[in-house]
Amino acid sequence: GAVVSQHPSRVICKSGTSVKIECRSLDFQATTMFWYRQFPKKSLMLMATSNEGSKATYEQGVEKDKFLINHASLTLSTLTVTSAHPEDSSFYICSAIHGLSLPYNEQFFGPGTRLTVL
Amino acid sequence: AQSVAQPEDQVNVAEGNPLTVKCTYSVSGNPYLFWYVQYPNRGLQFLLKYITGDNLVKGSYGFEAEFNKSQTSFHLKKPSALVSDSALYFCVRYNFNKFYFGSGTKLNVKP
Repeated sequence: GAVVSQHPSRVICKSGTSVKIECRSLDFQATTMFWYRQFPKKSLMLMATSNEGSKATYEQGVEKDKFLINHASLTLSTLTVTSAHPEDSSFYICSAIHGLSLPYNEQFFGPGTRLTVL
Repeated sequence: AQSVAQPEDQVNVAEGNPLTVKCTYSVSGNPYLFWYVQYPNRGLQFLLKYITGDNLVKGSYGFEAEFNKSQTSFHLKKPSALVSDSALYFCVRYNFNKFYFGSGTKLNVKP
């Protein structure tokens, strides 16, 4: 199956700093990428939908100025957590869709990034 | 309103026994349903999907799921569980241009 990578796999930062997480589709072109946050009770919450070359669509309650998403190419999307605070500590997961015909195309998920803000 | 529900936080089953992980969905919208599995330190992996067609869907690793419209359910099943099936399972629905995740069910398969 298609491979999606995330970098870094884990990051620890001080409160107030910014952290960038990369999501790459390694062997296919991803027209759409999704960013999720996984809470300790396990469920994934969709944060935003990212389409190549256009602005991301954020879910209600997600601060777009805090969670900056850039989808500059068909193989790369980045999530930048700006001025991170301890409550931003979480597991962030990206996924990518190959092609346009949702929902027929499955999502391919990255392995996730564990963010810890001290 | 929650689009999919997984009523069990955890399911315990002995190796070799059949397993069922439950999922129900709300009536509104299209019932495009998926099952994904999450192993520790690995990305979520696709198991199977129901878009249209046969109600019984066969997927990866011997898993299958039955779409039941009258019960609004899409339970994941496997005839004979393996210890290596122990993981976190998510029922996912595509509705209104978004993917909605169930709360997840931890499957424990004991030798």
